[in-house]
Amino acid sequence: GAVVSQHPSRVICKSGTSVKIECRSLDFQATTMFWYRQFPKQSLMLMATSNEGSKATYEQGVEKDKFLINHASLTLSTLTVTSAHPEDSSFYICSASWNLRGGAYIDEQFFGPGTRLTVL
Amino acid sequence: KQEVTQIPAALSVPEGENLVLNCSFTDSAIYNLQWFRQDPGKGLTSLLLIQSSQREQTSGRLNASLDKSSGRSTLYIAASQPGDSATYLCAVATGANNLFFGTGTRLTVIP
Repeated sequence: GAVVSQHPSRVICKSGTSVKIECRSLDFQATTMFWYRQFPKQSLMLMATSNEGSKATYEQGVEKDKFLINHASLTLSTLTVTSAHPEDSSFYICSASWNLRGGAYIDEQFFGPGTRLTVL
Repeated sequence: KQEVTQIPAALSVPEGENLVLNCSFTDSAIYNLQWFRQDPGKGLTSLLLIQSSQREQTSGRLNASLDKSSGRSTLYIAASQPGDSATYLCAVATGANNLFFGTGTRLTVIP
């Protein structure tokens, strides 16, 4: 259980184009989804947290107008990199968690396999 | 702000050796600590999760310990195998929505 998928796994695009990455929870309803970015030989850095039906909360230094996040349903969140540039090339990983009945959060995030974005 | 450090950054051992990976964190007020494995170009595989009230967790050849007061955790791998080669990440949760990652230890097990 607790499987998270991402699509696409790899994308190459030209500078100035927009790229959409999907994150899906396959066997559970994710009340909260997280988007991370990982540059080569560096660790994961949280970009934003999204709750279903509400606006995402962005970490300091992350441009919300450049990285558009939509969490339209309990199983799907999308990250759109608008007007991508070479410096946006990175490995993007999503994770998901859910709220148990009764209000207790599971203290664990389940991670997707990641999306490698290369901007030429 | 929580800072997570992992030492060493890279480790190379011959097959069959036991080894220890280290993780330290600056703020002891944590929810839990988790160890992940990441293969090159891939996502994260959760290995062990230790709640703040626990001292250790074991899964197969893996044993993770947690000393909250000193801000340290270790991941012990027994009888290492070439298939264990990967980057191991330590992550500390300060709440359900706050997960801080270390920079990882790149492990190579030489056949």
